[in-house]
Amino acid sequence: QSALTQPRSVSGSPGQSVTISCTGTSSDVGGYNYVSWYQHHPGKAPKLMIYDVSQRPSGVPDRFSGSKSGNAASLTISGLQAEDEADYYCFSWAGSSWVFGGGTKLTVL
Amino acid sequence: QVQLVESGGGVVQPGRSQRLSCAASGFTFSNCAMHWVRQAPGKGLEWVAVMSYHGSSKGYADSVQGRFTISRDNSKNTLYLQMNSLRPEDTAVYFCVRGSGANYGTHLDYWGQGTLVTVSS
Repeated sequence: QSALTQPRSVSGSPGQSVTISCTGTSSDVGGYNYVSWYQHHPGKAPKLMIYDVSQRPSGVPDRFSGSKSGNAASLTISGLQAEDEADYYCFSWAGSSWVFGGGTKLTVL
Repeated sequence: QVQLVESGGGVVQPGRSQRLSCAASGFTFSNCAMHWVRQAPGKGLEWVAVMSYHGSSKGYADSVQGRFTISRDNSKNTLYLQMNSLRPEDTAVYFCVRGSGANYGTHLDYWGQGTLVTVSS
């Protein structure tokens, strides 16, 4: 149950796009289309942003999109806004358990 | 609306036990898998445990296997986490989280606000 690998931090200016990667193995990310992404503002409850690799829940702006290739998944945020500044976590089924990524801090410059 | 309210956190000595509860409302609790997720101070999210809607299937992270037990009472719309042999590294905010399906689902769709457990002498 090793954590999925995410960059510690990413940054972008308002209006720009950023991509956060999430690298696992064939036993988790690569083996199933059950990757989801969560936005977490410290002190608040995390929020589901993407599920099943690329599906967006109702109410989540279409600026957020997800994809997967092999053992790596990605979350792309386009048209960055100040309120997007938060921690982001990927999450995947790993066959008999679940595993999070280490988290990525997004800074909007 | 979906509400998940955790309780039972506090300060506990190493080696002792603590039980967390999660009161669910706003949805049919008995139809949903439920998870516990934790976040240690300054650290990322860590998945802890899951239980299927009827309680017959459950799973645990290696870090808590054999020490923590997840359970539920569908008649009371309540999820529990019994934590035994607590260690300082179990110090964290514990979140109660709804799974997206009856068995395990494919993601986590609603989160509680969390309850803080501090393991310290």
